[in-house]
Amino acid sequence: GQNIDQPTEMTATEGAIVQINCTYQTSGFNGLFWYQQHAGEAPTFLSYNVLDGLEEKGRFSSFLSRSKGYSYLLLKELQMKDSASYLCAPEKPNDYKLSFGAGTTVTVRA
Amino acid sequence: GAVVSQHPSWVICKSGTSVKIECRSLDFQATTMFWYRQFPKQSLMLMATSNEGSKATYEQGVEKDKFLINHASLTLSTLTVTSAHPEDSSFYICSARDGQGEGPQHFGDGTRLSIL
Repeated sequence: GQNIDQPTEMTATEGAIVQINCTYQTSGFNGLFWYQQHAGEAPTFLSYNVLDGLEEKGRFSSFLSRSKGYSYLLLKELQMKDSASYLCAPEKPNDYKLSFGAGTTVTVRA
Repeated sequence: GAVVSQHPSWVICKSGTSVKIECRSLDFQATTMFWYRQFPKQSLMLMATSNEGSKATYEQGVEKDKFLINHASLTLSTLTVTSAHPEDSSFYICSARDGQGEGPQHFGDGTRLSIL
């Protein structure tokens, strides 16, 4: 089965940096996705890590350590619109199924 | 980029009604699509994998006779909630992956189903 652990809530101020950690234990692993989900909306794709290391994409970066079963999403220069839930989703090989953690609700304050 | 269209966005209907939700990949072919359900303040739960030209595979605990899935073409999968009851009220979301298992899963906008 899949066991995914990420913090429930985080709060930060506009312009700050926040790091959302995710640890996972999976039966098979292909890669890890991060999605953003605003309340009442469907998830939108942020990043996908297959290899160890840091992937940078604008204000958002994602890191993966396969041996440690660990990933983080780094949000820089926070904006009010970044207030949302962030979902860590490891992917199984072969069938490409995703398992979702409960998500981390990030609140950005002025 | 890859776009997945889901229709309808909202459904409100009486208990006992069957409801069909469509999921279309607009600019790519998807041999596999996924159907999820999300209750308020909870995680997305995978319900089933929709396979073009073959039967869907359901996750443990999901009733296949209750949630009928048809994937008749490379761009369309449908989920029918049969004889829906209030406990079936939820946010249903489909996703599809571009290419032969490469690239991210892209999600439709979701369907909010309310059964009275």
